[in-house]
Amino acid sequence: GENVEQHPSTLSVQEGDSAVIKCTYSDSASNYFPWYKQELGKRPQLIIDIRSNVGEKKDQRIAVTLNKTAKHFSLHITETQPEDSAVYFCAASTPRYGGGGFKTIFGAGTRLFVKA
Amino acid sequence: IAGITQAPTSQILAAGRRMTLRCTQDMRHNAMYWYRQDLGLGLRLIHYSNTAGTTGKGEVPDGYSVSRANTDDFPLTLASAVPSQTSVYFCASSPSGANVLTFGAGSRLTVL
Repeated sequence: GENVEQHPSTLSVQEGDSAVIKCTYSDSASNYFPWYKQELGKRPQLIIDIRSNVGEKKDQRIAVTLNKTAKHFSLHITETQPEDSAVYFCAASTPRYGGGGFKTIFGAGTRLFVKA
Repeated sequence: IAGITQAPTSQILAAGRRMTLRCTQDMRHNAMYWYRQDLGLGLRLIHYSNTAGTTGKGEVPDGYSVSRANTDDFPLTLASAVPSQTSVYFCASSPSGANVLTFGAGSRLTVL
């Protein structure tokens, strides 16, 4: 079945350094790739997303890149701050043909620690 | 405040008991979802509903059932809870034609 692999599972960086989280997906029909941030005890919240017709998207300190040929997408956080510490989930979303709607598969998550 | 409300926030349940987790949204989103979150496994889809009156199975549907009588409500029922259903359950919704998910605050369920 379809799956999304996410690496690394844990990432520790010094404040001010960059952090990169990588994901690969298996379903070539996937056309939407969101990233969610989940702080401890809170709900996942969308921080950035990218659609399959775009190769890169940036929003202040965060950026996402997509390589559809390789089925690979990445999250880049620059100038990390302690408040960036959280679990980050990538996901791949695919239209459900015939049944309508979308199917979104999540990666297992990356726990990011930013040391002050 | 528009959003998704889940109840209960937390529950401890004896194995074999029936439990319903409630989810209500006021954003008039057509699609609703139930995910479970387990350490190291991310978020896995249990059941979904593209519109009121329809439901479908996700990745891990066994032991769970859902109903969608109207647009706003999407309850998840465990007919006979087992310890492996100990998890944090998140309800989510998305508007028609879009796959951007909005999550509820989650329900932590412990089955003993």
